[in-house]
Amino acid sequence: AQTVTQSQPEMSVQEAETVTLSCTYDTSESDYYLFWYKQPPSRQMILVIRQEAYKQQNATENRFSVNFQKAAKSFSLKISDSQLGDAAMYFCAYTMDSNYQLIWGAGTKLIIKP
Amino acid sequence: GAGVSQSPSNKVTEKGKDVELRCDPISGHTALYWYRQRLGQGLEFLIYFQGNSAPDKSGLPSDRFSAERTGESVSTLTIQRTQQEDSAVYLCASSLGSRPSYNEQFFGPGTRLTVL
Repeated sequence: AQTVTQSQPEMSVQEAETVTLSCTYDTSESDYYLFWYKQPPSRQMILVIRQEAYKQQNATENRFSVNFQKAAKSFSLKISDSQLGDAAMYFCAYTMDSNYQLIWGAGTKLIIKP
Repeated sequence: GAGVSQSPSNKVTEKGKDVELRCDPISGHTALYWYRQRLGQGLEFLIYFQGNSAPDKSGLPSDRFSAERTGESVSTLTIQRTQQEDSAVYLCASSLGSRPSYNEQFFGPGTRLTVL
């Protein structure tokens, strides 16, 4: 069975600094998709970034980028120039093309220090 | 356009009572998902609708949980004879199609259910 693990329950970073959130997953599939979602205190889950496993190039979205290591089954999220509005829970998720379910990690709480 | 909305935002109920949670998806979205999020945990899949049919109900924790959807619009999640372990945030999401690999799921703000 596929699993997603986020080993950091909480991370803190100084405003304007860079922080990396970790995610590992377990799968025997070769074709799959990975996501990072942000959940602010409003509870509304927002997609931050997605990565297709068949793509070697790491996905980037403005200040957000991933380090996708397929062999190591690692999918970390890097947030550059952290802003107060980045404070939230961050969830890593996995799915396969043939699936309609997302499999979620337990989340990492990101605290931004002003 | 309007996003996914859920009501009520918060619900406090007594053990043993029935509750109904409502989800209004984005217009035109054929797929609808219900998730449960316990405190400090990730999302737990409950049920998925494609149109008004539910191909997969395997995530429903027990027969006290049921859900229905009217056409490609409103969905209701019903929990009968609530127990304290049902306390959680219940999130709804909708998407244009059913494959999250290329159909982004848009989430509502959730309903926080507290069972006393």
